[in-house]
Amino acid sequence: SQKIEQNSEALNIQEGKTATLTCNYTNYSPAYLQWYRQDPGRGPVFLLLIRENEKEKRKERLKVTFDTTLKQSLFHITASQPADSATYLCALDSNYQLIWGAGTKLIIKP
Amino acid sequence: GAVVSQHPSWVICKSGTSVKIECRSLDFQATTMFWYRQFPKQSLMLMATSNEGSKATYEQGVEKDKFLINHASLTLSTLTVTSAHPEDSSFYICSASRLGEGGNEQFFGPGTRLTVL
Repeated sequence: SQKIEQNSEALNIQEGKTATLTCNYTNYSPAYLQWYRQDPGRGPVFLLLIRENEKEKRKERLKVTFDTTLKQSLFHITASQPADSATYLCALDSNYQLIWGAGTKLIIKP
Repeated sequence: GAVVSQHPSWVICKSGTSVKIECRSLDFQATTMFWYRQFPKQSLMLMATSNEGSKATYEQGVEKDKFLINHASLTLSTLTVTSAHPEDSSFYICSASRLGEGGNEQFFGPGTRLTVL
């Protein structure tokens, strides 16, 4: 069956360290994958999109990797700050729709 | 750019009444808008895909007669929850699609918290 999985447990990271979140999928062949940030009671906010032929994408302190062999994307936040605390969702395209992971809650401790 | 608004941000209604939620793309035209429902600590669940000027495409298990979607213009889509019941209480989020680098980017509204008493 098709699945997209993110770690359901909250990730606690010390301020200043790098936070790494994982998104794994099975039985999909997405042309691209996206990462979003969602704060409580708010809609998701688009962060980064990475295409299947791209290994890595960067935007300021954010870095996304996409390994189509492992069927995995990693999302990194370097020099993390308490303001980075949120739930991060990955989404991949399937037949022009986005399929969403359940998200991983990231907590950055000062 | 790429701002999407939703109104209202929260609503409380009595069981049996109908509630309308508006979704607007403020600074771009969106041929496609999406309606999602999200329960606490769960992923976004796509309810329907709405294309301007045509009937919405509903996901399996979503009752089209209960969740009426109208996409009258390139900047406005509405979702009406008819004869709302307590189990319809949820966080409803819309998004508008815009073609970006490499694919469609979705821009989300802030969501509407619906509570049915």
